[in-house]
Amino acid sequence: EMQLVESGGGLVKPGGSLRLSCEASGVTFSTYSMNWVRQAPGKGLEWVSSISSDSAYIYYADLMKGRFTISRDNAKNSLYLQMNGLRAEDTAVYYCARIRMAADGSGAFDIWGQGTMVTVSS
Amino acid sequence: DIQMTQSPSSLSASVGDRVTITCQASQDITNSLNWYQQKSGKAPKLLICDASNLETGVPSRFSGSGSGTDFTFTISSLQPEDVATYYCQQLDSLPFTFGPGTKVNIK
Repeated sequence: EMQLVESGGGLVKPGGSLRLSCEASGVTFSTYSMNWVRQAPGKGLEWVSSISSDSAYIYYADLMKGRFTISRDNAKNSLYLQMNGLRAEDTAVYYCARIRMAADGSGAFDIWGQGTMVTVSS
Repeated sequence: DIQMTQSPSSLSASVGDRVTITCQASQDITNSLNWYQQKSGKAPKLLICDASNLETGVPSRFSGSGSGTDFTFTISSLQPEDVATYYCQQLDSLPFTFGPGTKVNIK
C-alpha cells in the first residue's frame, strides 16, 4: 500500500517562501491524483490544491491562487507545494493525500501523510 | 462553493452508547460524501466513502447513510478508542470542502 511522507515545513517570516515535498512509496504513484490539505492549529481541515496524475489538471482553493503552486515528478514519486507570499494565517500542518477514484467518478482521500508543520511568524 | 455543516460540534457519551452525527450540504451532492476520523496529533483516516461504504478494516460499529443534502454518521456502540474528531467531506465538486468537525469524547 502507498505510504506518503511530507517534508519541508518550518519557520518562515511573513512574505517568505517554502517548498513542501511529499514522497510516495509502495504503489504506483503516477496513476493517482494527489492533494494538499492543511489544518491550522486547533482548527478543521481545509483543502488546498489538487493535481491530476499527469499534471494536466490543477486546482487551487481561492485563498491560495496566485501564491501556491502544486507540482509533481512521477519519476521521483514526489508531490510538491511551492508556497510564496506566506502570511500568518498560512500557519498550519500541511498534509498530502491521495485521491482514490471509482469508475463512477466518486472519490475519497484514502491515504494521508503524517503532515509537516509550517509556521509563519516574524 | 458547497458549504458543509455538521452537528453537534461536540458530544460526550458513555461507552456502549449509540452516537449520531449529521452533516448537511448546501446543495445536492448525491452520495459524494466521505467521513474521516482524526485522533489527536494524527492524520485523518478515511472511514466511510460514498456516504455509506465502509472502508476495509474499519469496524462495523461505524456506519453512514444519506443522499442529496442530508447525511448521517453513526457509531452503534461507542468505544474508548473512538475518541476523535469526525469530519464529513464532499467530493461532488471543487473546491472539495470539509465540515467543521464533531469532537467525540467519553463521558
